[in-house]
Amino acid sequence: SQQGEEDPQALSIQEGENATMNCSYKTSINNLQWYRQNSGRGLVHLILIRSNEREKHSGRLRVTLDTSKKSSSLLITASRAADTASYFCATVATDSWGKLQFGAGTQVVVTP
Amino acid sequence: DTGVSQNPRHKITKRGQNVTFRCDPISEHNRLYWYRQTLGQGPEFLTYFQNEAQLEKSRLLSDRFSAERPKGSFSTLEIQRTEQGDSAMYLCASSPQSQETQYFGPGTRLLVL
Repeated sequence: SQQGEEDPQALSIQEGENATMNCSYKTSINNLQWYRQNSGRGLVHLILIRSNEREKHSGRLRVTLDTSKKSSSLLITASRAADTASYFCATVATDSWGKLQFGAGTQVVVTP
Repeated sequence: DTGVSQNPRHKITKRGQNVTFRCDPISEHNRLYWYRQTLGQGPEFLTYFQNEAQLEKSRLLSDRFSAERPKGSFSTLEIQRTEQGDSAMYLCASSPQSQETQYFGPGTRLLVL
């Protein structure tokens, strides 16, 4: 079963706009990670945020984590057509050795 | 730079046949994971190896599924007596002991007719 939910399920924006997607989860976590998947291909790691962190940046990506609400958000600023992909959040539970539990993903389409 | 590789990339088989997939992780990554992904969903964990030891198996991994990592390097995932419900993308990932990031292969897409 999926660990949590992502919102929205799909997002369509124009180049230059920001894209925000949210992820909720159920268990206590060690860390939360975001991955990107281009159509029909493997996943690429984007960013990891630990349970004791609240915000993290990497290039055009900004991730927040609210452990009290068991939720996270991913912001992609100044989006590009190449950002078109599915984005997944994945959690590593506190009692886990590294197993990822994924959400259902947000499909993002960026039009030129 | 050789990432995680998986073979074959695509497999079409008839119901009831056996199939085997191979995963070659990044060298010196001692952790190896198998996940299954169906259309429109996120990957679901199947099993995990640390070196050659299989340390956890999901309840999704029925007795028709078996995975091995005989020398702690490559891994194989075998599905016996395939069913149409086994149609999915099978993803392999690896990571070093010191990292929590997982590196995914391109996947093997299985279609059971």
